[in-house]
Amino acid sequence: GAGVSQSPSNKVTEKGKDVELRCDPISGHTALYWYRQSLGQGLEFLIYFQGNSAPDKSGLPSDRFSAERTGGSVSTLTIQRTQQEDSAVYLCASSLTTGGDVSNQPQHFGDGTRLSIL
Amino acid sequence: QKEVEQNSGPLSVPEGAIASLNCTYSDRGSQSFFWYRQYSGKSPELIMFIYSNGDKEDGRFTAQLNKASQYVSLLIRDSQPSDSATYLCAVNDYKLSFGAGTTVTVRA
Repeated sequence: GAGVSQSPSNKVTEKGKDVELRCDPISGHTALYWYRQSLGQGLEFLIYFQGNSAPDKSGLPSDRFSAERTGGSVSTLTIQRTQQEDSAVYLCASSLTTGGDVSNQPQHFGDGTRLSIL
Repeated sequence: QKEVEQNSGPLSVPEGAIASLNCTYSDRGSQSFFWYRQYSGKSPELIMFIYSNGDKEDGRFTAQLNKASQYVSLLIRDSQPSDSATYLCAVNDYKLSFGAGTTVTVRA
């Protein structure tokens, strides 16, 4: 399995519940990103990890959203007290880092988690 | 995030024709640019990246970059029905800033 793996592929939950989304990046990719794609909203950046650190969390829409990464590999995005506006496809991407620089590295996406809040 | 604008679609072209997609970006300091293809219900798939001014060709795809004009384009030659998808332009300064996408339909 060479690609970015995300689970679950689909999640339906009731408003107010917490959800946890998982991303397993391509082996050797130190950079990991979460994006969100909503109907009519396009793709928006949420958070960037370099190793286990998150130098940029500026895209997280509220304090209900958090993410962590452990062992420089798997990342989880947690949404607490979900709201209907959280319904979207959550996409994870990973890339190599060369010489401390990721800006020239292509990002490869997983298949996403489609989250539906009832 | 940086502003990235794409020509509004949808774009409909006959099979075998050239599809031309355009993108402009706001930050003159941006250095790397990507084109992703996204089929309906699927995740974005990287098809081209370009860092230097000029043209870059890969099979039926050609990316063009003009940093002075802050302009990136993608040409799809000999368009096939399988090219029907939404094409996303992205500027990378460690995080991707995406355009809204242009939906291309190739008519058989």
